[in-house]
Amino acid sequence: EAGVAQSPRYKIIEKRQSVAFWCNPISGHATLYWYQQILGQGPKLLIQFQNNGVVDDSQLPKDRFSAERLKGVDSTLKIQPAKLEDSAVYLCASSFGLAGIGYEQYFGPGTRLTVT
Amino acid sequence: DQQVKQNSPSLSVQEGRISILNCDYTNSMFDYFLWYKKYPAEGPTFLISISSIKDKNEDGRFTVFLNKSAKHLSLHIVPSQPGDSAVYFCAASAMAGNMLTFGGGTRLMVKP
Repeated sequence: EAGVAQSPRYKIIEKRQSVAFWCNPISGHATLYWYQQILGQGPKLLIQFQNNGVVDDSQLPKDRFSAERLKGVDSTLKIQPAKLEDSAVYLCASSFGLAGIGYEQYFGPGTRLTVT
Repeated sequence: DQQVKQNSPSLSVQEGRISILNCDYTNSMFDYFLWYKKYPAEGPTFLISISSIKDKNEDGRFTVFLNKSAKHLSLHIVPSQPGDSAVYFCAASAMAGNMLTFGGGTRLMVKP
C-alpha cells in the first residue's frame, strides 16, 4: 500500500514570496490533515478535511495560509506571503475516518520550508 | 499553553535495558492518547494508543500506561534496541475524531 505522498521535499524562499505544498493521501482515506512542525516542537494541526469539507481550521493563520481539497483526494497548502517564522516542516497525514480509535493517522515525509 | 508536555527532551539508554518515556497533559477532556515515533527526514509513524477507559495497553515490546488522576502517561520499551533510537511524540485528543495535540517530543538514543 502506497503511503502519503508530499512534494516538494524541500523548499527555500525569501520572505514575502508565496509557496505551495502538495499532498496525496493514502487511497481511500477520507480524512486529510496538514500540520506545521517547528524545529524542536511537536506537530501542530493547521487544518483537517473530511472528504472535501473543512472539519477544523481553527489554528490556520487565514490571513496568509490557505488550503483546499477540491475533489476530496489531493490537497494543496499555500502560504502567501511567507514570513520568517513560517520556516518549519509541513506534514500531511491521512486517516480512513475521523481520527480516533481504529482510525490512526498516517503521515507523509513532510516538506521542509526555509524562509530567508 | 502547552496542553501536552514531554519534559525530557532526550533520553539515553543501554541496549537491552528498559526505556521509559513520560508525558503529562492538562486537559481533562482528553480521552484518547497515542505515541508516535519519528526518524529523521520521515513523518511520524503510529506506535501504540490507549483509551481513557484503560490504564495499560501492550503491543510486543511496547507498553503504554495511563494514570488519569495524575494526568500522566508513559511509554515503556523493553528490551530497548538500537533501532528504537528516534524522536517519540505523545499525542492526545478529546473525543474520537477531534484534533490531536502533540507534545514536544523526546529523543531516545539506545546505545549498543
